[in-house]
Amino acid sequence: GQQLNQSPQSMFIQEGEDVSMNCTSSSIFNTWLWYKQDPGEGPVLLIALYKAGELTSNGRLTAQFGITRKDSFLNISASIPSDVGIYFCAGLLETSGSRLTFGEGTQLTVNP
Amino acid sequence: KAGVTQTPRYLIKTRGQQVTLSCSPISGHRSVSWYQQTPGQGLQFLFEYFSETQRNKGNFPGRFSGRQFSNSRSEMNVSTLELGDSALYLCASSRTTSLNEQFFGPGTRLTVL
Repeated sequence: GQQLNQSPQSMFIQEGEDVSMNCTSSSIFNTWLWYKQDPGEGPVLLIALYKAGELTSNGRLTAQFGITRKDSFLNISASIPSDVGIYFCAGLLETSGSRLTFGEGTQLTVNP
Repeated sequence: KAGVTQTPRYLIKTRGQQVTLSCSPISGHRSVSWYQQTPGQGLQFLFEYFSETQRNKGNFPGRFSGRQFSNSRSEMNVSTLELGDSALYLCASSRTTSLNEQFFGPGTRLTVL
């Protein structure tokens, strides 16, 4: 199946630092979504991106839809302890209907 | 407004058994999707139902099946369980098939011994 390469796999940062993670693929996607999952919970949608070059913010989070349509990144500014969790990217191929392809996740740890 | 609920939250089965998991979507939502989450494979799409019809299906064997009822509640069934079926099974609902309206439930943790 289609693969999304998400990196880094894990990050250990100090409170207040900025964070950046990204997803890349050899396939072209027409939608990118970023989710956060806390332990024992389902993923929660953070940001949705629908066209190449789109840059969208949600509070301290900013995500961009890559111009090539094969990548996306998520930035978190001024991290706080509650940012801890697993962040997933998910992409939607043009031909896949509503079937999302997920990255493997980035485990974020924030040290106070 | 109540969120997506999944029952049971935890389940232990043995190889060869079958299991049925239930998902109640948010009131008014007609689309339900199911995903399998494992440490090695991440989140994998199982299937999607909209108005009682399966609209999309992932690359899983026929042992995995699902259905949706007229009240939009959905069940998924796994027959002849294998050790590798141990996973967190997540369902997500949305009012339409629009992905930015998709909300996930907390999941059912299935352990196969």
